[in-house]
Amino acid sequence: DQQVKQNSPSLSVQEGRISILNCDYTNSMFDYFLWYKKYPAEGPTFLISISSIKDKNEDGRFTVFLNKSAKHLSLHIVPSQPGDSAVYFCAASGGGGSQGNLIFGKGTKLSVKP
Amino acid sequence: DADVTQTPRNRITKTGKRIMLECSQTKGHDRMYWYRQDPGLGLRLIYYSFDVKDINKGEISDGYSVSRQAQAKFSLSLESAIPNQTALYFCATSRRGSPNVLTFGAGSRLTVL
Repeated sequence: DQQVKQNSPSLSVQEGRISILNCDYTNSMFDYFLWYKKYPAEGPTFLISISSIKDKNEDGRFTVFLNKSAKHLSLHIVPSQPGDSAVYFCAASGGGGSQGNLIFGKGTKLSVKP
Repeated sequence: DADVTQTPRNRITKTGKRIMLECSQTKGHDRMYWYRQDPGLGLRLIYYSFDVKDINKGEISDGYSVSRQAQAKFSLSLESAIPNQTALYFCATSRRGSPNVLTFGAGSRLTVL
């Protein structure tokens, strides 16, 4: 059973608008969440993270929101740019000895159209 | 040069052959990981190592083995490759201070016929 779910395989957004990527999780022991971005023929790269003690973390155009009661997090990209077109993976960590052993979602392919 | 280097980048082999995928890093990170990605699926952890003497199984370790030859080197072996091991394999590293921030290699695409 998937512990980290990204239910939208793809998302298309116009340049300059907001992109919202969603992620749901089932394991209440997860205490740290990350977003990774992946371009074709490259490995994933770390984008932004959030600890379970926070509900929001912002880094430039990227903001991650965490709703622990709903076991839901989202990544907002504002404004979206064509260079943001990539696959975005949500990941979760259970903390303690499992730090670094991330559980990944299936990914959402974002296309930002000029 | 890349921080995390994987070789080979592409490999086609036959069922039953032994295959080794190699990973080296210049990040100075103590932790190294092997993940596998299949089409339409997320990355799944095969093995991880927190230092040279520490090797741990991940979610999908069956059919694989690893060797941590040095802090900077972590290799993944398929003793007898089978077609359902056809996948994209990623090596990753992280440091103790930020264990969840992984630096990935570019991937090794393996096809088992």
